[in-house]
Order: sequence, then C-alpha cells, then structure tokens
Amino acid sequence: EAGVTQSPTHLIKTRGQQATLRCSPISGHTSVYWYQQALGLGLQFLLWYDEGEERNRGNFPPRFSGRQFPNYSSELNVNALELEDSALYLCASSLGLTGSSYGYTFGSGTRLTVV
Amino acid sequence: GQNIDQPTEMTATEGAIVQINCTYQTSGFNGLFWYQQHAGEAPTFLSYNVLDGLEEKGRFSSFLSRSKGYSYLLLKELQMKDSASYLCAVRSSDTGGFKTIFGAGTRLFVKA
Repeated sequence: EAGVTQSPTHLIKTRGQQATLRCSPISGHTSVYWYQQALGLGLQFLLWYDEGEERNRGNFPPRFSGRQFPNYSSELNVNALELEDSALYLCASSLGLTGSSYGYTFGSGTRLTVV
Repeated sequence: GQNIDQPTEMTATEGAIVQINCTYQTSGFNGLFWYQQHAGEAPTFLSYNVLDGLEEKGRFSSFLSRSKGYSYLLLKELQMKDSASYLCAVRSSDTGGFKTIFGAGTRLFVKA
C-alpha cells in the first residue's frame, strides 16, 4: 500500500512568487493535514481538509491556502512568498473519524526554499 | 490558547530506560499522541492516550494524566536507533473543529 506522497521533494522560489505543493493521502483516508516545520522548530498546524472542505486552519495569514480534490488529494498554495516561508512542509492523512485513535501518517515533505 | 512543553534535549545510555515528559494546557482535550522523528525524515506515530493511565506497546509506553495536563513517553532497553526527536501532540476541539498541535520536540541522544 502506498503511503502519503508529496511533490515536489524540493522547491526553490523567489520572494514574491507563488508556490504550489501537492499531497496524495493513503487510499481510504479522507482527511489531509498540512504542517510547516521551520528549521529547528516544531510542527506548526496550517490546514485540515476533510471530504473536500476546509475544516480548520492554524494561525497563518490568508496567503496560505489550499484545497482538497474529489479524490482526496490536496494542494497547498503559498502566495507572495517571504523569506521566512522557507521550511519543510509536511502533509499527513488519517481516517476522517472524529476522536479517532489513529495517528497521522506523514509524507516525506516538500522542502521549500525562498531566496 | 494551547501550550505544549517538553524538554529540548535528553541524553541516555544504550540499554537504559528514559522518560520524556510533556505538559500541556488546552481546552476541549481529545487525545494525546507521541511521534518519533529521525533527522531529515517525517514523523511516525508511536502512541495514543485519551484516558488516564499507561498504554504499553513493546519497548515504548505512554502515560496520561488529564487532570494534571501531563504525559510521558517511556523508552526501555534503549537502542542506538532510538536517537531521534520525540514529539508530543495534543488534539483538541475548538470552534473550527478538531486541531492537533505539536510540541517542539525532545531530541534524544543515545550513547554507547
């Protein structure tokens, strides 16, 4: 069974540009979560999608947005890139069950570098 | 708001036992998770607690006290491959639905 896949693995963008990151969840998982992990820092919650809808978002500006497609894959878009957006962006999926005891399965991440 | 505290670093010896503590403050508590993250890799799920008490899974055990906002991860018979960061994560419900917040992680160094 394929795990959570993310693309691209690495992405280099210039300040002010837009970045698009993609995530495919484990088959059967309906929930997708996005986290930002800056160097040396913990995971910061960005967005949660379930059944095609945004269910919750973290304390990030509106230029961080995304969507979930009918096949449950997801896109994270970051507009007007800033240098401090440089980080590892992790996508995770889980069964979309409230109060589930299942932890997240993470993808290997996209390393975004803004220059 | 939510807050999760765990030690930044710990060092232990191969074969020993180590306890990694986590304290949290949250409303709408809905479960506590522990993850392991090796350098340069994605976190992997270790354990889940939602009721008070100890959950044992092989060499790893996790404990929760909801009244104290406290959890610990216990690693027995330490191996060199256990050198990694251990992340405490708390799921809670808020007006926006469920949200899982991660602590900054505890870097564990296992020495021979």
